[in-house]
Amino acid sequence: EIVLTQSPGTLSLSPGERATLSCRASQSVSSSYLAWYQQKPGQAPRLLIYGASSRATGIPDRFSGSGSGTDFTLTISRLEPEDFAVYYCQQYFRTFGQGTKVEIK
Amino acid sequence: QVQLVQSGAEVKKPGASVKVSCKASGYTFTSYHMHWVRQAPGQGLEWMGIINPSGGSTSYAQKFQGRVTVTRDTSTSTLYMEVNSLRSEDTAVYYCARDLTNRLDYWGQGTLVTVSS
Repeated sequence: EIVLTQSPGTLSLSPGERATLSCRASQSVSSSYLAWYQQKPGQAPRLLIYGASSRATGIPDRFSGSGSGTDFTLTISRLEPEDFAVYYCQQYFRTFGQGTKVEIK
Repeated sequence: QVQLVQSGAEVKKPGASVKVSCKASGYTFTSYHMHWVRQAPGQGLEWMGIINPSGGSTSYAQKFQGRVTVTRDTSTSTLYMEVNSLRSEDTAVYYCARDLTNRLDYWGQGTLVTVSS
């Protein structure tokens, strides 16, 4: 069973700063099956990135994904106030990472 | 537009069963697999199971095998998930989500199930 480990657990940043979130798999996964989701309090998760680097419909271009094999990254180039949330990676379809919380510093 | 509308919150006693529904609209129900994912309070996302609404075939996470049943009613485009032998650890928000080959693109609003004596 593949385990996804996200780091850091919490990222404290200011609006306008760059956020770099990591997702590491316990064994190599296909980039085609790596997705990222954003979740705000009291809301359902929202698809951001699929296939490791493709943005979902309506997702701003400040969100980007990269990586391959066992190491994947979600980057938010300039944090907007609405970006402060929890982010999850998923190895489609059975496994989610434990999440990274991006909080306002 | 695609919508997944789930049933309302439930409060159950330990040992009871709960059945949560998810009504789909805005697309052809039988063309997309559907998932159930749950989230315990303050915790992360946990995948539970998947169904092919066309034929009804299912697959479950090992920890839920034998205790969770996912079904569908194609005549009403509704998905169901039943959890038996509820325990306090099953207190969570349960989400349905649509499968788009390699991602979950639409999610229901979530249903809170509280298990308490």
